[in-house]
Amino acid sequence: AQKITQTQPGMFVQEKEAVTLDCTYDTSDPSYGLFWYKQPSSGEMIFLIYQGSYDQQNATEGRYSLNFQKARKSANLVISASQLGDSAMYFCAMRGLNDYKLSFGAGTTVTVRA
Amino acid sequence: EPEVTQTPSHQVTQMGQEVILRCVPISNHLYFYWYRQILGQKVEFLVSFYNNEISEKSEIFDDQFSVERPDGSNFTLKIRSTKLEDSAMYFCASSEQYEKLFFGSGTQLSVL
Repeated sequence: AQKITQTQPGMFVQEKEAVTLDCTYDTSDPSYGLFWYKQPSSGEMIFLIYQGSYDQQNATEGRYSLNFQKARKSANLVISASQLGDSAMYFCAMRGLNDYKLSFGAGTTVTVRA
Repeated sequence: EPEVTQTPSHQVTQMGQEVILRCVPISNHLYFYWYRQILGQKVEFLVSFYNNEISEKSEIFDDQFSVERPDGSNFTLKIRSTKLEDSAMYFCASSEQYEKLFFGSGTQLSVL
C-alpha cells in the first residue's frame, strides 16, 4: 500500500516568489510514479507534473519542477514566479507500477498575495 | 487540447434514488477511473476500468456501485440506492499511458 503525506495544510506566498510544497511518501513497490495535481476553487483537478521513480532527472513542466529525493522518499513541488492564478489546493499522489489507483495526500492550500 | 468531459456538473437526488454519472474520456485513452472527494477530505479511488472490465476497485466500491462503458465513448458510474454519505464530488479520469492521468471537472452529487 502507498501512503502520501503532505504536512502543510496552507501556505501564503508573495506574487513572483517561489514556493515549495512538501510531499513525502511510503511504499514497498520498487517502481512507482509520483504526481502533482492542482485543484482551483472551481473544483477541477489539473495534472501538473509526473516523476517516475527510476527517472534520472527531476521532472520540470514550465514553472513547475519536482524536487525528487528518492532516498528521503520526498517529492516536493516547486512553483517558481508565483502568479495570482496559482492560488489553489495542490495534491501529491502516487501509484505503484502495477497499480491502477492513485493514492492522494491531504493537499496543501496555496494562497498567492499581490 | 482534449479533455475528459463529465455530465452533469451538479446532481441533486433523494436518498434511495438511483443516479448515473456520465463521463466521456479522452478518445485514445484506454484506462478509465472514478474517484470521489467528500467535502474537505482526500481524493479517494473508487474503481479502474480497462479492456471492458474492472481492473481494480476499492472497499468503497460496493454492490451499490457499478460502472459501464455502454458505447465507444461514454463511461458511466451508477449508484443504485444513494445514501447521504454518497454526497461528494465524483471525478472521472482517463489515461493512455501510466504517466499521465487526466481528470474531468467533476460532478457534485448532493443526496438529500
